[in-house]
Amino acid sequence: EADIYQTPRYLVIGTGKKITLECSQTMGHDKMYWYQQDPGMELHLIHYSYGVNSTEKGDLSSESTVSRIRTEHFPLTLESARPSHTSQYLCASSDWRGQATDTQYFGPGTRLTVL
Amino acid sequence: SQQGEEDPQALSIQEGENATMNCSYKTSINNLQWYRQNSGRGLVHLILIRSNEREKHSGRLRVTLDTSKKSSSLLITASRAADTASYFCATTGNQFYFGTGTSLTVIP
Repeated sequence: EADIYQTPRYLVIGTGKKITLECSQTMGHDKMYWYQQDPGMELHLIHYSYGVNSTEKGDLSSESTVSRIRTEHFPLTLESARPSHTSQYLCASSDWRGQATDTQYFGPGTRLTVL
Repeated sequence: SQQGEEDPQALSIQEGENATMNCSYKTSINNLQWYRQNSGRGLVHLILIRSNEREKHSGRLRVTLDTSKKSSSLLITASRAADTASYFCATTGNQFYFGTGTSLTVIP
């Protein structure tokens, strides 16, 4: 069982609200990721980070932002939620520098519904 | 998909049968990994095969890799109802890409 946590697990919120999805890992991994996944669909990388103060955009354009002030914490923020943001958001981490395999460990996900 | 396509998209078998899923990719890779996802959950790493390996086993899992065809297969032998999940291949090269996934249903 991976030591990576996401809160909340489920969130239903109205349009226009600001939300932050939390992700924390206790494995000391340097690289962290955020993916967006619609039900039954493939994962799309929206943000990743190589370490503290590093943030990169992924392949899928996203209106969200991320920060990496501490190694263990990689929150994702939506300034103004819209119904098109309804999806499952998965956080992952990997021991990128310690190995060349980049095996990722995933949190349980946050299912976001924007009304 | 950016990199991986999986085949079939969905597979339904009886308990005890073998399940085979295929993954094709587009660019050169360092390794290929298979992950499993139960409904509504995160992904769990199952097995990794390096680009210089052709076959790897882990319990009831057998993975093959053919770099000349840019394809991999995952075989689950003697399937169980608990194997019901979605299975994704993921490639590591310059980037990390997940495939489109195969939804496996094992009927008790």
